[in-house]
Amino acid sequence: AQSVAQPEDQVNVAEGNPLTVKCTYSVSGNPYLFWYVQYPNRGLQFLLKYITGDNLVKGSYGFEAEFNKSQTSFHLKKPSALVSDSALYFCAVRDSNYQLIWGAGTKLIIKP
Amino acid sequence: GAGVSQSPRYKVAKRGQDVALRCDPISGHVSLFWYQQALGQGPEFLTYFQNEAQLDKSGLPSDRFFAERPEGSVSTLKIQRTQQEDSAVYLCASSPGLAGASSSYNEQFFGPGTRLTVL
Repeated sequence: AQSVAQPEDQVNVAEGNPLTVKCTYSVSGNPYLFWYVQYPNRGLQFLLKYITGDNLVKGSYGFEAEFNKSQTSFHLKKPSALVSDSALYFCAVRDSNYQLIWGAGTKLIIKP
Repeated sequence: GAGVSQSPRYKVAKRGQDVALRCDPISGHVSLFWYQQALGQGPEFLTYFQNEAQLDKSGLPSDRFFAERPEGSVSTLKIQRTQQEDSAVYLCASSPGLAGASSSYNEQFFGPGTRLTVL
């Protein structure tokens, strides 16, 4: 069965430090991977996606993600965290058809 | 506005009531999705429309759930005889391309959701 795992319920980072939000996946065939961010009382916002090509994908707001096929991971990263990055982050994988399979989300807290 | 809008933003229903949730997708978007998001969880797929055609309703949890998109734009998710377990945020998303197309996959654009509370 296809699935996405976000092993950390919450990640705490000091402002200005690098951040990583972890995601691993299990799919048959080539994975199409996505990261979305959800701010309170707002809809999910697209950050970035991996379809094919370079393993390092750059997205919105200075975020990037690294696709690692051997480790079946797609971790979200940012070199220097901002307090405004505090939000709920979701990793998702497109299944063999078109449905998105979502992780449970990771709450990112950036402390000043 | 240019984004996906949903109404109402909040809905409180008594158990057994029928509710209707509305989604206005981005103009011209072909694909429309409904998701259910329980507290502390990621979204769960409910149903998918390509224009006015409902191509997949495999995620609808029971026959009390019904969705339509009669003119290929606005969509309505209806829940009959609501139960407490129906309490969740219902998200609508639209996408410009055909889902499942072999070409570059388009991301989905989400509305703010409707928070349904069934008492």
